[in-house]
Amino acid sequence: QTVVTQEPSFSVSPGGTVTLTCGLSSGSVSTNNYPSWYQQTPGQAPRTLIYTTNTRSSGVPDRFSGSILDNKAALTITGAQADDESHYYCALLLDSGISLFGGGTKLTVL
Amino acid sequence: QVQLVESGGGVVQPGGSLRLSCTASGFIFRTYSMHWVRQAPGKGLEWVGVISSDGSKKYYADSVKGQFVISRDNSRDTLYLQMNSLKPEDTAVYSCARDPAAGRVRWFDPWGHGTLVTVSS
Repeated sequence: QTVVTQEPSFSVSPGGTVTLTCGLSSGSVSTNNYPSWYQQTPGQAPRTLIYTTNTRSSGVPDRFSGSILDNKAALTITGAQADDESHYYCALLLDSGISLFGGGTKLTVL
Repeated sequence: QVQLVESGGGVVQPGGSLRLSCTASGFIFRTYSMHWVRQAPGKGLEWVGVISSDGSKKYYADSVKGQFVISRDNSRDTLYLQMNSLKPEDTAVYSCARDPAAGRVRWFDPWGHGTLVTVSS
């Protein structure tokens, strides 16, 4: 069974840069998996950050960027701010038409 | 503005059924594919399934295939999730999300706030 992998947790200093990754247990992630990224704070609906690998959703600051790095989808936050402390989820589309979410990364800014 | 509001959640006994609704406003509902996503308490997001704009195509997660059915009524701007043979592990907040993409591309935006389903005796 295919699983999408994310780092369970990550820590970054204010103003620092962090890259979260999203891998596929069955192989490499490519643009054909249309990676997307979501930010979720407790009790809130997810907010779309990035779609189709590297397109920022409307209103998302340009310190958030998406890419493919070493066969994984990646979300990079440049110049992290306190309110970036949140859970981050990636989603991938498989050839079967099924979507899968990663388990999420809890990002701490301290 | 674009809005999605889920309803129909509640407490149901194991083996029971429940139908959730998602009412859309602020966009032309009949032109978009729609998804259901769930989140168990304290856990991550889990994609449940998707229905195409005209209802002709549906895809489900392996975990709910044969148990859940997604449908829609474009005349009422409403999406449904029929959940049968419910198990305690189906306990979660169920949210609907619009798929802004066309063709094979897929992402989720916006999301509703969800409705809580608790499966317990």
